[in-house]
Amino acid sequence: SQQGEEDPQALSIQEGENATMNCSYKTSINNLQWYRQNSGRGLVHLILIRSNEREKHSGRLRVTLDTSKKSSSLLITASRAADTASYFCATGGGTSYGKLTFGQGTILTVHP
Amino acid sequence: EAGVAQSPRYKIIEKRQSVAFWCNPISGHATLYWYQQILGQGPKLLIQFQNNGVVDDSQLPKDRFSAERLKGVDSTLKIQPAKLEDSAVYLCASSRRRGGAPTDTQYFGPGTRLTVL
Repeated sequence: SQQGEEDPQALSIQEGENATMNCSYKTSINNLQWYRQNSGRGLVHLILIRSNEREKHSGRLRVTLDTSKKSSSLLITASRAADTASYFCATGGGTSYGKLTFGQGTILTVHP
Repeated sequence: EAGVAQSPRYKIIEKRQSVAFWCNPISGHATLYWYQQILGQGPKLLIQFQNNGVVDDSQLPKDRFSAERLKGVDSTLKIQPAKLEDSAVYLCASSRRRGGAPTDTQYFGPGTRLTVL
């Protein structure tokens, strides 16, 4: 079963704009990860945030985590056409070491 | 370092036929995963190996799916017999640490797109 639910399902923006994607989950987690998937490079790990962290940055990516609301957001600043892809949140933890439970994904389209 | 290799990249079969997928993980990675990704959905874990032992196969339809990881390196996933609803992309991933620690990064292969007619 899917743990996370991403919102929106699809997002269309212009190059240079910021893109924000949200993820909600249901059970307690050890960490939450974001992945990107496009036809050219498959599924690629972007960033991981642990349950005791509230915010994390990596280049143009900013991830927040609110465990009280069981939600996370991914912000991509100054988007580029190359950022066009599907973005998935995945939750990890509990007793299933290494097991990731993915959401349904957000399809991001960045227009040049 | 070389990434996760999978073959074939595409496969078309008729229902009730059998099919097998192969995965070669990143060298030295102890944990290997097989995921099923149906169009429009996120990947769903089918089975997780630590070396050549199974850690989690709770979502593997064992009446038709089987997987093995001989010698703790390469792995094969088999479907026999296939059903229409098995049409999906089958992704293999590997991670470095034994047991696949919760914060271990998983590296994914390009996947095999299976179409069952």
